[in-house]
Amino acid sequence: QMQLQESGPGLVKPSETLSLTCTVSGGSINNLHWSWIRQAAGKGLEWIGRIFTTGSTIYSPSLQSRVSMSVDTSRNQFSLKLTSVTAADTAVYFCAGSLGYFDYWGQGRLVTVSS
Amino acid sequence: EIVLTQSPGTLSLSPGERATLSCRASQSVTSDLLAWYRQKPGQAPRLLIYGASNRATGIPDRFSGSGSGTDFTLTISRLEPEDFAVYYCQQYGRSPWTFGQGTKVEI
Repeated sequence: QMQLQESGPGLVKPSETLSLTCTVSGGSINNLHWSWIRQAAGKGLEWIGRIFTTGSTIYSPSLQSRVSMSVDTSRNQFSLKLTSVTAADTAVYFCAGSLGYFDYWGQGRLVTVSS
Repeated sequence: EIVLTQSPGTLSLSPGERATLSCRASQSVTSDLLAWYRQKPGQAPRLLIYGASNRATGIPDRFSGSGSGTDFTLTISRLEPEDFAVYYCQQYGRSPWTFGQGTKVEI
């Protein structure tokens, strides 16, 4: 069974860059495409974007100017960077594997933006 | 982008009852590429239905999905205690992929 695990700092200062990595185990990273999704406390799910193992990306228009994603197939990892963060970016960040629908999820990583 | 509106916002029911959740899209969902998820507190969402009506692996048959175009429904035939949670629909037919705002099923 494929498993995903997010890692990265849980606290980021305003105006700095949020960086998270998702490690995929129990299966090949080459079989799916990979997304980041976030959820602010008490709120719904927001899709951030996705990356294919070719490196091709699609981002949500609302975050496109601040988001970048990358993939390292040799390490079975993919990553998220979100620049110029504010308190509004405080959320649980999930990585997920998909064929459009999200079949595999990480447990989520709480990232707080605060000085 | 396609906006998904879920109703009702909260559904108050008892174990054993039937739950009917609605998801309406602002424009037609391409090829009925719509999924449903259940999210329990403190957990990641779990895929229930994909392609509007296909149950995901390991999902019991009390869950069923239906609909096409702009109107979709998730039905839980008999609520079990673990079904009291928040449910989200998601469309993946057109970028950006989008989620509904959620329906909470409470006791």
